[in-house]
Amino acid sequence: QSVLTQPPSVSGAPGQRVTISCTGSSSNIGAGYDVQWYQQLPGTAPKLIVHGNSNRPSGVPDRFSASRSGTSASLAINGLQAEDEADYYCQSYDSGLSGPVFGGGTQLTVL
Amino acid sequence: EVQLVESGGGLIQPGGSLRVSCAASGFTVRSSYMSWVRQAPGKGLEWVSVIYSGGSTFYADSVKGRFTISRDNSENTLSLQMNSLRADDTAVYYCARAGYSSTYAFDMWGQGTMVTVSS
Repeated sequence: QSVLTQPPSVSGAPGQRVTISCTGSSSNIGAGYDVQWYQQLPGTAPKLIVHGNSNRPSGVPDRFSASRSGTSASLAINGLQAEDEADYYCQSYDSGLSGPVFGGGTQLTVL
Repeated sequence: EVQLVESGGGLIQPGGSLRVSCAASGFTVRSSYMSWVRQAPGKGLEWVSVIYSGGSTFYADSVKGRFTISRDNSENTLSLQMNSLRADDTAVYYCARAGYSSTYAFDMWGQGTMVTVSS
């Protein structure tokens, strides 16, 4: 059981918008700790696509956006492309565990 | 080129020890917050350990007392000494650098090294 809860899978057609939720608690997201999002393509290392709740690193398309509210966060992907098909992980810090925690991951399928 | 390259993974029997390493280039490990993150086959990501630029170290409860993180400033490398290995330590081990003035926003990852604990 992951500390941060994500849906196991989401899907969408090319060009559509999908969102991935990340639900935490008062000891992590709800405590104000930043949320990061990572994209992991099959067989590769994770790649940071959002840091500090809503900031995109250089080179990440603006089709990716994220937000945090209360004890949850979400990642939105607009204009889905085949290359977006990957696993997505949210991550924050948990004061009870005294370390960073990840969501269980969401597999995005582009139909 | 800025990159991280892990090495040292392999097959080890339960109860054994293994040391994995991570060579950094393009930046200095001693100036960064460096972590190890692992991923069991078909599973999600799990943070393992961190070493701060000041030298402080922290561990996940699952490895505390068994794993030791360290760095070699002269070689610009990060290491993870793993003792008393168990089957549930089987995973790809990634070294990761924290960026954006954050302790845990991992902006650079190595390619990973596979550790298999099995008899």
